[in-house]
Amino acid sequence: DAEITQSPRHKITETGRQVTLACHQTWNHNNMFWYRQDLGHGLRLIHYSYGVQDTNKGEVSDGYSVSRSNTEDLPLTLESAASSQTSVYFCASSGSGTHEQYFGPGTRLTVT
Amino acid sequence: QQQVKQSPQSLIVQKGGISIINCAYENTAFDYFPWYQQFPGKGPALLIAIRPDVSEKKEGRFTISFNKSAKQFSLHIMDSQPGDSATYFCAARLGSGYALNFGKGTSLLVTP
Repeated sequence: DAEITQSPRHKITETGRQVTLACHQTWNHNNMFWYRQDLGHGLRLIHYSYGVQDTNKGEVSDGYSVSRSNTEDLPLTLESAASSQTSVYFCASSGSGTHEQYFGPGTRLTVT
Repeated sequence: QQQVKQSPQSLIVQKGGISIINCAYENTAFDYFPWYQQFPGKGPALLIAIRPDVSEKKEGRFTISFNKSAKQFSLHIMDSQPGDSATYFCAARLGSGYALNFGKGTSLLVTP
């Protein structure tokens, strides 16, 4: 069955370290998104991509970067982790011309 | 700036009762309004969605009511069950493939 996976599911890192969160989908969707979820803020868009080599900034992109070298993967990189980036991160994907976004199971990141 | 405002933040309903969650938006260019359901430790999953050319959509016990002139939409859960206890997010989208603008979420608890 097609699916979207995220790894790791849990990560603890130190302030200042570079961290990369993986997202992989097997639906062959063109559109991929990264959100962060925080209490009191709901889900906020970090970065998104409409296809290979395409990346765009979302509402809360500072301190994050993404790259899209193939259809299936959109890794999220925290260049220099900060305590304010402690959060749960969700990756999502959707097909071109379709409505539904499918979400991954999330990665809980703690920056100490 | 929050483009979709959701209320209440939390809700407690007795089993068999009706749960009502409300959302309001400002951008009249939004063309798709989904509701997502999220259980602890899981990613959000699409529950039901509506387009602005329809005033109501029903799927089983779940109904979306949409008021275009008031720029408001709501989720009604009839005959609420303990298994409905989850966090519910409303969202709005500018067009096909675009990212979702989420409300801050409503934590629903259905008591036995």
